[in-house]
Amino acid sequence: KNEVEQSPQNLTAQEGEFITINCSYSVGISALHWLQQHPGGGIVSLFMLSSGKKKHGRLIATINIQEKHSSLHITASHPRDSAVYICAVVTGNQFYFGTGTSLTVIP
Amino acid sequence: DGGITQSPKYLFRKEGQNVTLSCEQNLNHDAMYWYRQDPGQGLRLIYYSQIVNDFQKGDIAEGYSVSREKKESFPLTVTSAQKNPTAFYLCASSLRLSDTQYFGPGTRLTVL
Repeated sequence: KNEVEQSPQNLTAQEGEFITINCSYSVGISALHWLQQHPGGGIVSLFMLSSGKKKHGRLIATINIQEKHSSLHITASHPRDSAVYICAVVTGNQFYFGTGTSLTVIP
Repeated sequence: DGGITQSPKYLFRKEGQNVTLSCEQNLNHDAMYWYRQDPGQGLRLIYYSQIVNDFQKGDIAEGYSVSREKKESFPLTVTSAQKNPTAFYLCASSLRLSDTQYFGPGTRLTVL
């Protein structure tokens, strides 16, 4: 049983499309993170959320604590957004990671 | 430049040998972490440390050991007891536990 489930697993979009990646979790959390992993393996932290919504450039992350669900949205997608997006939750000293959503944006 | 570094990027070892992966940060972060990533699986936590001279096992600590003698450094030793050591290893740090984590570039270990 996975504490963190992401959907979809794979996503292909045309440049300019609006993209949504979903994350559901089954444990009580103190924080949720969205991470981006590029093909070379490097990981960048995009957002840390404990409630509400955050926006950074074309990226928006939302979280609904009651429903145990978070979404990552990308507006006006671009080929450079192609990467694996990973959802991670923190509960106490435990860390749980989703298996990631692989996004490919086609020019 | 502030950041977190791992070396080497690629590492090859013979089966049965211990190997130590380096992780250094100059971000003045208290917390550091080691993760393992396998194809098709999420990141799995091996060990983490909240503060110097303290560390805790993660989900898959068996066959690994760590030390935290200095705030800046958190080396991971993959011992011969680890049954499937070939993987991508990522180190991270954060100001405090559960804060935003900053990741190193990773070390790809292949055991022949």
